[in-house]
Amino acid sequence: EVQLVESGGGLVQPGGSLRLSCATSGFTYSSYRLNWVRQAPGKGLEWVANINQDGSETYYVDSVKGRFTISGDYVKKSFYLQLNSLRAEDTAVYYCGKGVAFEIWGQGTMVTVSS
Amino acid sequence: DIQMTQSPSSLSASVGDRVTITCRASQGISNSLAWIQQKPGKAPKSLIYGASTLRSGVPSKFSGSGSGTDFTLTISSLQPEDFATYFCQQYNSYPLTFGGGTKVEV
Repeated sequence: EVQLVESGGGLVQPGGSLRLSCATSGFTYSSYRLNWVRQAPGKGLEWVANINQDGSETYYVDSVKGRFTISGDYVKKSFYLQLNSLRAEDTAVYYCGKGVAFEIWGQGTMVTVSS
Repeated sequence: DIQMTQSPSSLSASVGDRVTITCRASQGISNSLAWIQQKPGKAPKSLIYGASTLRSGVPSKFSGSGSGTDFTLTISSLQPEDFATYFCQQYNSYPLTFGGGTKVEV
């Protein structure tokens, strides 16, 4: 069974950092681009970042460039999102997704930025 | 960036109704269009990719069409489990972008 499982969310103060993880299973990790998407409370979906199969190519939405970093570990079949300089507007459920057409989604992990 | 505009933003329907949701891209995206369903408090679920190809396990009451800038999602006979929010998403170019969503309610 194909699965994506996020972890690492929590409550953090403005300016703080978090590292989200997405553990994958049930598919060939090296064959797909992998994504992070977020959804603020009561809002729509916003794509955040994407990494290619060998980790050599990444893309980001403008609002997180320079603050967030996506990375991957082929051996662990996991990928990550490092969130730095967090702001209140980064508060959201963060989902990981397989493929550019989001074939499979994780269950999400909540990030709350508040003092 | 490619803007995705969905209409309507919400609609009221009854069980058995045929429902159509439209999605317009601000520039041509060929058929690089996905449809996603989200129920309250749940993770999104992929329904369709390539504008018209159903994901495995998705019932045939769902269908997608379109190419270029104009796309539609049709639910042929609405059932109670179909009341949800539907999003379109383009993957023709970065940044990947989503439509604002269409909430289908009773």
